[in-house]
Amino acid sequence: RKEVEQDPGPFNVPEGATVAFNCTYSNSASQSFFWYRQDCRKEPKLLMSVYSSGNEDGRFTAQLNRASQYISLLIRDSKLSDSATYLCVVNLQGPGGFKTIFGAGTRLFVKA
Amino acid sequence: DAGVTQSPTHLIKTRGQHVTLRCSPISGHKSVSWYQQVLGQGPQFIFQYYEKEERGRGNFPDRFSARQFPNYSSELNVNALLLGDSALYLCASSLEDAIDTQYFGPGTRLTVL
Repeated sequence: RKEVEQDPGPFNVPEGATVAFNCTYSNSASQSFFWYRQDCRKEPKLLMSVYSSGNEDGRFTAQLNRASQYISLLIRDSKLSDSATYLCVVNLQGPGGFKTIFGAGTRLFVKA
Repeated sequence: DAGVTQSPTHLIKTRGQHVTLRCSPISGHKSVSWYQQVLGQGPQFIFQYYEKEERGRGNFPDRFSARQFPNYSSELNVNALLLGDSALYLCASSLEDAIDTQYFGPGTRLTVL
């Protein structure tokens, strides 16, 4: 089982649609959680941190469920510019040291 | 303020050669992490350094090594290059420990022939 698993995608949605991405992680010692977006051949850019209380930034809402080891990202009113790969990221500190684990990413295509 | 910078942007090497990649973190950031990203996959964690000490290491062979300098910049070294080392190498910096938010540089695209 992969340490961080995301929906394989791709997701193809029309402009204005609501789209949800899911991510699960296997290590209960994981300490911090993030969503990044990555455009083709570019570096990942931080989208938002993820907290148990949930957080919202405009059209984007992220949620963490520690009991289920599950992270989600909701995008409302999709724009063409939202087309990108969305990466789920987990940080953990264990006996072997620190580790950051990325999911494989979910590709989103928003069409007019 | 300048973001994370990396050099070179592109590099072509042949099998068996050695490569050094460089990274300068955001001013004031003390932690640097290195990642390898091959096409179609998420970045894979290689190393994390904080205050010049290695704090984490991913599942990479000993051919990969890194260090962090007193000014918090960092180098990633790869010896005895293999074709499979062809990838985008990303550096990320964070303010303190890498549990914090990480900010990525544009990457170095390495091609091994």
